[in-house]
Amino acid sequence: ETGVTQTPRHLVMGMTNKKSLKCEQHLGHNAMYWYKQSAKKPLELMFVYNFKEQTENNSVPSRFSPECPNSSHLFLHLHTLQPEDSALYLCASSQEAAGGSYEQYFGPGTRLTVT
Amino acid sequence: AQTVTQSQPEMSVQEAETVTLSCTYDTSESDYYLFWYKQPPSRQMILVIRQEAYKQQNATENRFSVNFQKAAKSFSLKISDSQLGDAAMYFCAYRSYGQNFVFGPGTRLSVLP
Repeated sequence: ETGVTQTPRHLVMGMTNKKSLKCEQHLGHNAMYWYKQSAKKPLELMFVYNFKEQTENNSVPSRFSPECPNSSHLFLHLHTLQPEDSALYLCASSQEAAGGSYEQYFGPGTRLTVT
Repeated sequence: AQTVTQSQPEMSVQEAETVTLSCTYDTSESDYYLFWYKQPPSRQMILVIRQEAYKQQNATENRFSVNFQKAAKSFSLKISDSQLGDAAMYFCAYRSYGQNFVFGPGTRLSVLP
């Protein structure tokens, strides 16, 4: 595996279900991100982890719960979601270091549908 | 707060022709990075080109080049010899050191055969 991978690629869940999205980066990066991409809306940054520590939580509802057990893995735990949470969830990683270019590398995303 | 604007929600170009996508941004920083990302339909978002604000020379990657006007806070992307595979959403993004990315709303590019 290379780059940033995400599983599952597609997920359909009911509003009372609990599920998790997984992201893994094979680039040796030290920062990971969750974004929400909805139709006709800009990318929304949800969570940021630097060296496994959460550094950003952009007023995301508590029904979304991130977990970063190490610098290569990132999870997004989902529970009691709403239909408006249906979207493409993108994971990204970057190498945060002085003098770096700071570009982000994205995974293919998980297409989530909440019924 | 920094903002990124892409004033063209949709664009189209004839195959083999040239197209320019516009991007403007707002910042009070002097040191930052600008990016163009491409997201093909149902495919992964990938980096197309990157520009460091301190560099006066415009970045170029094969058929992709930028016109970076720092004073005007403008960062347009030119695609030469357009190909069918260039059809995608294009996102302009800004980032200053130690800060998170700010993405524009995107421009959907169609390439006509």
